[in-house]
Amino acid sequence: DADVTQTPRNRITKTGKRIMLECSQTKGHDRMYWYRQDPGLGLRLIYYSFDVKDINKGEISDGYSVSRQAQAKFSLSLESAIPNQTALYFCATSGTYPSPDTQYFGPGTRLTVL
Amino acid sequence: QQQVKQSPQSLIVQKGGIPIINCAYENTAFDYFPWYQQFPGKGPALLIAIRPDVSEKKEGRFTISFNKSAKQFSLHIMDSQPGDSATYFCAASKTGNQFYFGTGTSLTVIP
Repeated sequence: DADVTQTPRNRITKTGKRIMLECSQTKGHDRMYWYRQDPGLGLRLIYYSFDVKDINKGEISDGYSVSRQAQAKFSLSLESAIPNQTALYFCATSGTYPSPDTQYFGPGTRLTVL
Repeated sequence: QQQVKQSPQSLIVQKGGIPIINCAYENTAFDYFPWYQQFPGKGPALLIAIRPDVSEKKEGRFTISFNKSAKQFSLHIMDSQPGDSATYFCAASKTGNQFYFGTGTSLTVIP
């Protein structure tokens, strides 16, 4: 089984709808991250969490919120989706072994906002 | 302001060629420089990484060259194969802190 899973894998929604993307990990890592990937823009950090009680904004947090329900679960919400939030979203984790700097990515969620 | 600049955006080489992807950074506090490889439909995966105390690191056919004074680092793929066709991202961070990724390079290796 995959160590970092994301649900759903694909989602099509309409402008104004509330959307939640979920991430679960079995790696036992404390740190979790949400990124979005856009063609020509690379990966940009939305939010990150170093433990259950720690939430930090990344480069592009406007329009997004997160919840760290447990060490293994980190959810990303779009309160009122807009078309320019159409993108590929990745969850990632990192831990102390083999290095706190090695990030492990999930398979991604492709979100389309009409 | 983009913390890490990556070029080229796309690259096409023949099998056996040596594609080179370049990245530049501004923040001298960065001390960790990884390269990630991403295949279609998959998440990025760590390929190789370097810290600024060395100028070069090799792992198999993949080599990072690091120039601290120029604040640049590059990925070289020796004897490239069609299976190396993927998108490559460079990144930089200060140990334990958030990553800043480059914009990605789409590599195609023609058989």
